[in-house]
Amino acid sequence: KAGVTQTPRYLIKTRGQQVTLSCSPISGHRSVSWYQQTPGQGLQFLFEYFSETQRNKGNFPGRFSGRQFSNSRSEMNVSTLELGDSALYLCASRGGTTPVVAQYFGPGTRLLVL
Amino acid sequence: GESVGLHLPTLSVQEGDNSIINCAYSNSASDYFIWYKQESGKGPQFIIDIRSNMDKRQGQRVTVLLNKTVKHLSLQIAATQPGDSAVYFCAESGGSNYKLTFGKGTLLTVNP
Repeated sequence: KAGVTQTPRYLIKTRGQQVTLSCSPISGHRSVSWYQQTPGQGLQFLFEYFSETQRNKGNFPGRFSGRQFSNSRSEMNVSTLELGDSALYLCASRGGTTPVVAQYFGPGTRLLVL
Repeated sequence: GESVGLHLPTLSVQEGDNSIINCAYSNSASDYFIWYKQESGKGPQFIIDIRSNMDKRQGQRVTVLLNKTVKHLSLQIAATQPGDSAVYFCAESGGSNYKLTFGKGTLLTVNP
């Protein structure tokens, strides 16, 4: 079974631009979560989607948004990019319907904001 | 202000030794814990998980121990190999909370 895939793998943007990242979960997984990883803050939860509905949200500004499609693929969008948004953005999928099921991560999208 | 990088705890072991990586958690409502391994340039890789109604779980060459009294989690790796070199994270979730809260991570270096 293929793992979680994320595109693009690398991205360079300038301040003020917006960016859209894509995630395809493991086949059959309906839950997709997004995390931001930086050297300063570590791994931080952005949001989680299940059956096209946002089920949980972390403490990030409204510039960070996401959505999930009927095939469980998910996108996240960051508008008005800031230098501090430079990070590795990770997507994870979960196969069960409860929190006590493991999440599996993709390779991430490394975003650099200049 | 200027961001300060996380100071990762480090553990250096010889190939073939056993490794123990520790993690403290703060949320007493957490009922699910996971260990991940992250190699340079890759996403976190699932190693093993444990629910709060257990105090020990074993996998292939790995054992996770959970002490709820002192809110402590540990990962034991038997016969550590150079391929085990990576950053190891513990993560927790609790109740109906679907998000994972991650620890800072520990950098494990295995010397051949």
